[in-house]
Amino acid sequence: AQKVTQAQTEISVVEKEDVTLDCVYETRDTTYYLFWYKQPPSGELVFLIRRNSFDEQNEISGRYSWNFQKSTSSFNFTITASQVVDSAVYFCALYLYNQGGKLIFGQGTELSVKP
Amino acid sequence: GAVVSQHPSWVICKSGTSVKIECRSLDFQATTMFWYRQFPKQSLMLMATSNEGSKATYEQGVEKDKFLINHASLTLSTLTVTSAHPEDSSFYICSAQQGLNTEAFFGQGTRLTVV
Repeated sequence: AQKVTQAQTEISVVEKEDVTLDCVYETRDTTYYLFWYKQPPSGELVFLIRRNSFDEQNEISGRYSWNFQKSTSSFNFTITASQVVDSAVYFCALYLYNQGGKLIFGQGTELSVKP
Repeated sequence: GAVVSQHPSWVICKSGTSVKIECRSLDFQATTMFWYRQFPKQSLMLMATSNEGSKATYEQGVEKDKFLINHASLTLSTLTVTSAHPEDSSFYICSAQQGLNTEAFFGQGTRLTVV
């Protein structure tokens, strides 16, 4: 079965706190991609990162960092020194290379950063 | 990144009427387009995959006669919600990709309200 689980439905933090959003995925495919998207209240999806299944190197982009661990099928996302503008729903998604490239989304984590 | 334009951004229609939503790739040729539906506070669920020049592939549980998808050119796919009912009210979002192993770019989404 192909599945993405984001166990945290809602997270609330105070500005400047660090916050980690968890993502666990299931797939039998050996070739796949993992994505993180941000969805602000306006609704559009903002691409944050893509990681392929053969690249377990962690990545940092400004205040954002991602930890990919195939051993635990996890692809967690950390925001350092959170800001109010980070408030949004964040989705983790699994890209199925052998199924025409469709994306399986997790349930989403609603992050609220309070001043 | 590439631009995908979705139109309209929002639409209100009367129950029983049909509504057409357009998804255009503005600066690349999209061999594959995907249509997702998102109910409030929920995740994005894939409705169908459309490849240019061929019939769309619908996900289980999605009525193909109700949600008509046309992908007549490499830059345009349309979703027509026929005989809309209030339960069809949702956020519809498309994505387009140039080929396998490439990033999918999302449109801005269309908020449909059926009254």
